[in-house]
Amino acid sequence: DSGVTQTPKHLITATGQRVTLRCSPRSGDLSVYWYQQSLDQGLQFLIQYYNGEERAKGNILERFSAQQFPDLHSELNLSSLELGDSALYFCASSVDGTTWREQYFGPGTRLTVT
Amino acid sequence: AQKVTQAQTEISVVEKEDVTLDCVYETRDTTYYLFWYKQPPSGELVFLIRRNSFDEQNEISGRYSWNFQKSTSSFNFTITASQVVDSAVYFCALSEFSGNQFYFGTGTSLTVIP
Repeated sequence: DSGVTQTPKHLITATGQRVTLRCSPRSGDLSVYWYQQSLDQGLQFLIQYYNGEERAKGNILERFSAQQFPDLHSELNLSSLELGDSALYFCASSVDGTTWREQYFGPGTRLTVT
Repeated sequence: AQKVTQAQTEISVVEKEDVTLDCVYETRDTTYYLFWYKQPPSGELVFLIRRNSFDEQNEISGRYSWNFQKSTSSFNFTITASQVVDSAVYFCALSEFSGNQFYFGTGTSLTVIP
């Protein structure tokens, strides 16, 4: 168990809808990262937050947004969902804002868009 | 261009055989970090190792060993006397000091046959 929690575990929704994925980092970790894993795109870095501020952006679509709250938990919002957004979404945390620290991953949220 | 290349998509070995997973990376930074992660069938990514670009010493941890060669931009991972529990997808990753991104390879799926 990495200490990173993600909810929900599974999510099924329809195209055009909006969903929110939640992540709580390990105790003491200040950074949260979001990743999307799909069969065709592999593991893609989406965005990183450090202590409430956006630190780095990867291949995140404009329909997606994230935030990190004062208690350091983070939410990833996905809107106007398309079939291609079906994927496993991982959250990871690390101790500080640098991307060269090891990251600890949560169990993931499997999103299915129908 | 791919920053991290794992040319082996799938490997199957018989239990107790040794297996090497290849990882080739590309960067212009002199300071960078390399990682290996394991993703077992349960889905959660597990951190295995981190090396920085200044430390070319090979590392051994039990049945796992890593060979880092800057001259060939490779960071290969060897499992000695493989076991069924080693069956997983293994990802190599790169983080550059100058940037704030984390690049994963496409992963190598290892199946250890009893």
